[in-house]
Amino acid sequence: GNSVTQMEGPVTLSEEAFLTINCTYTATGYPSLFWYVQYPGEGLQLLLKATKADDKGSNKGFEATYRKETTSFHLEKGSVQVSDSAVYFCALPSNSGNTPLVFGKGTRLSVIA
Amino acid sequence: DSGVTQTPKHLITATGQRVTLRCSPRSGDLSVYWYQQSLDQGLQFLIHYYNGEERAKGNILERFSAQQFPDLHSELNLSSLELGDSALYFCASSVAQGSSPGNTIYFGEGSWLTVV
Repeated sequence: GNSVTQMEGPVTLSEEAFLTINCTYTATGYPSLFWYVQYPGEGLQLLLKATKADDKGSNKGFEATYRKETTSFHLEKGSVQVSDSAVYFCALPSNSGNTPLVFGKGTRLSVIA
Repeated sequence: DSGVTQTPKHLITATGQRVTLRCSPRSGDLSVYWYQQSLDQGLQFLIHYYNGEERAKGNILERFSAQQFPDLHSELNLSSLELGDSALYFCASSVAQGSSPGNTIYFGEGSWLTVV
């Protein structure tokens, strides 16, 4: 079934550093791809999505491009801020019927001033 | 703000007790999902309702039950609570069902349950 592999953290960066969080997927067809973010003590928020190959999702300075050639959806940000400290989850729809979404294990990002 | 509303935000209760968590989906969304997030188990899918009918079951314990009402709000009932049930319970909603093409699932802020 559909699956996602996400780089393990934690990732610690200095403010204004460049961020990449790797996500690769295995899927039947070309499903939508998602990044969700969970800030400390908060719920899960949709950060961005891409619905077809070569689409670029973007939000809050974050970007991710749906690459079918490399089956990847890496999350990038050019200059991180302390407020970006959170756990980031890559996800895609399941094709197994017992769960709507397949999530990666999450990558914890800590940004230090 | 995702538009998914969950109450209560925090709840502390004793072992053996029963609690009800409530969820109002985004306006127009017919699907409601429940997830449990704990430190040791990560994010676990519990159950999915679409327009009042159960559509999929995940790792939901027999002590737990849910329903979706005609006005589309949903409740998750947790009974005979154990210490291990302490977790963050998310409700999520979407227009279509689960993995339908283009379907996007939006999560609420969660209900923090602490069992003491």
